[in-house]
Amino acid sequence: GAVVSQHPSWVICKSGTSVKIECRSLDFQATTMFWYRQFPKQSLMLMATSNEGSKATYEQGVEKDKFLINHASLTLSTLTVTSAHPEDSSFYICSARQGRTGELFFGEGSRLTVL
Amino acid sequence: AQSVTQLGSHVSVSEGALVLLRCNYSSSVPPYLFWYVQYPNQGLQLLLKYTTGATLVKGINGFEAEFKKSETSFHLTKPSAHMSDAAEYFCAVSRSNTGNQFYFGTGTSLTVIP
Repeated sequence: GAVVSQHPSWVICKSGTSVKIECRSLDFQATTMFWYRQFPKQSLMLMATSNEGSKATYEQGVEKDKFLINHASLTLSTLTVTSAHPEDSSFYICSARQGRTGELFFGEGSRLTVL
Repeated sequence: AQSVTQLGSHVSVSEGALVLLRCNYSSSVPPYLFWYVQYPNQGLQLLLKYTTGATLVKGINGFEAEFKKSETSFHLTKPSAHMSDAAEYFCAVSRSNTGNQFYFGTGTSLTVIP
């Protein structure tokens, strides 16, 4: 099946620094990618929808200046957590929609810990 | 508005026993329903989905789920649990087969006891 890869899988950073998480569709072109956040014992919450070549669409309550999303190519979307704080610590998951079939494929997630 | 409720954050079954993971949804429109499985340190993998047509849906690894509109449920079952079924399971509802608005349940962690 199609593969979506996230990098890094784990990241620890100091408060105030910025962290970039990459989401790549390895064997298909993804016109649309989605970013989710998952708190312990809670659901995956959609943060934003990323369309190649255009600005991301953010869900209500998600700070666009805090969570910068770039979808510069059909195989790569990045999420940058700017000026990270401990409350940004979470599990971030991306998914990519295959253009041909429309099916969604999920990455393995990236765990961010902000000290 | 759409939402998903998974009853039981943790379920334990003996190897060979029936697996039943519960999912109830609320949706203002006919829903598309999904079950995903997540193994440790891996991405979410689609087990099965209901879009239209037959209400009993068969998925991978011997899992199946039945869409019951009257009960607003989409419970996941497997007749005989295997050790390799131990994982986190997520139910999700969407307005479309591939649309943006995916709403996930909180997940159910399945433990299989040898």
